[in-house]
Amino acid sequence: DAKTTQPNSMESNEEEPVHLPCNHSTISGTDYIHWYRQLPSQGPEYVIHGLTSNVNNRMASLAIAEDRKSSTLILHRATLRDAAVYYCILVTDKLIFGTGTRLQVFP
Amino acid sequence: DAGVIQSPRHEVTEMGQEVTLRCKPISGHDYLFWYRQTMMRGLELLIYFNNNVPIDDSGMPEDRFSAKMPNASFSTLKIQPSEPRDSAVYFCASSTNRGGNQPQHFGDGTRLSIL
Repeated sequence: DAKTTQPNSMESNEEEPVHLPCNHSTISGTDYIHWYRQLPSQGPEYVIHGLTSNVNNRMASLAIAEDRKSSTLILHRATLRDAAVYYCILVTDKLIFGTGTRLQVFP
Repeated sequence: DAGVIQSPRHEVTEMGQEVTLRCKPISGHDYLFWYRQTMMRGLELLIYFNNNVPIDDSGMPEDRFSAKMPNASFSTLKIQPSEPRDSAVYFCASSTNRGGNQPQHFGDGTRLSIL
């Protein structure tokens, strides 16, 4: 399974945009890019996914590089409730979780 | 809509005892996944089912672990006999598709402590 590389941690202030990067240089043509997040004491929560084109939903936006070797999860206005570990995962048939990015949001 | 439901939320038992974790997937989802999360190893896929049939159990750590899905609305993960190193949070997830074009929906997990 292709692997992803994410920063261990990031910080943001409340109501500011947050850009969470993910590198996946060995991505294959059939890999979807998924993002999940895990709030403290909860199960992982689906955020967004895409294949080649940028995607938007009510939670976030996903910007995918033209060569698909990197992507960025965009939270348009961070809230305190967005503090979580964010996982970027390449998916063909199974979710293989890495260590993710721990996002801290300050008031 | 009801999400994935796991029970119990917490389980504390002594080593050597049998432990049974339960999961009810979202209605209509054909795929069910069991994961384990520890500080040391993070989130690991243990096994997954499609239409109640186990498809990939390569993540099951050893023979003490077994999983069943007797019908589309119920699955169990059993540990017998349990050991302290089995202490972890166990998550169940379900999906309409194994492939990458559908998300997985996770339950809130069972926090298992083996004394």
